[in-house]
Amino acid sequence: GAGVSQTPSNKVTEKGKYVELRCDPISGHTALYWYRQSLGQGPEFLIYFQGTGAADDSGLPNDRFFAVRPEGSVSTLKIQRTERGDSAVYLCASSLLGGGDTQYFGPGTRLTVL
Amino acid sequence: AQSVTQLDSQVPVFEEAPVELRCNYSSSVSVYLFWYVQYPNQGLQLLLKYLSGSTLVKGINGFEAEFNKSQTSFHLRKPSVHISDTAEYFCAVSDEGSSNTGKLIFGQGTTLQVKP
Repeated sequence: GAGVSQTPSNKVTEKGKYVELRCDPISGHTALYWYRQSLGQGPEFLIYFQGTGAADDSGLPNDRFFAVRPEGSVSTLKIQRTERGDSAVYLCASSLLGGGDTQYFGPGTRLTVL
Repeated sequence: AQSVTQLDSQVPVFEEAPVELRCNYSSSVSVYLFWYVQYPNQGLQLLLKYLSGSTLVKGINGFEAEFNKSQTSFHLRKPSVHISDTAEYFCAVSDEGSSNTGKLIFGQGTTLQVKP
């Protein structure tokens, strides 16, 4: 079946602009995660959704970052007033119920802020 | 707070030789443990995971890992590597507790370079 998909695959923007990154999880997966991976580093947790609600947003670095999952499937990560330090690969993962269930990762969106 | 340390940033090895990628973790609670692989230009893929039970866990592509609670380690091993095993390997932990969300804390990764 279809895996996790993310769009766009690449996004180049200018400092100060607003961007939206989209994640389509595996159908039927209630848990959805966003991570950020900087060059040469492991992924860093940003936010976790269980269904429509953000159950853990402790990894969001500041209030410029926001994410939604209004219908419990597709999620959008929104970044306001982008900064050069936001440049990274943004990864989305989904799992059936959360907890110890296997997380399936998408290919990521590479964000470059000029 | 939990943390993961992958002791080697790069591991060069010849084809058909054995390999061990080391992972240590720090946590005040019980944890689940994972190894993910990232092949060039591909997404993260689960190799294996430890949730409970036998401390020796077998995964895909001939990899295995052993959970050692006293040493807080979860080292990954393969008895004979192939060129196709060249990739970035990430160790990760998540909280086992009742409030476990599945949030993964990753190490910085180990680059396995298999040489012919």
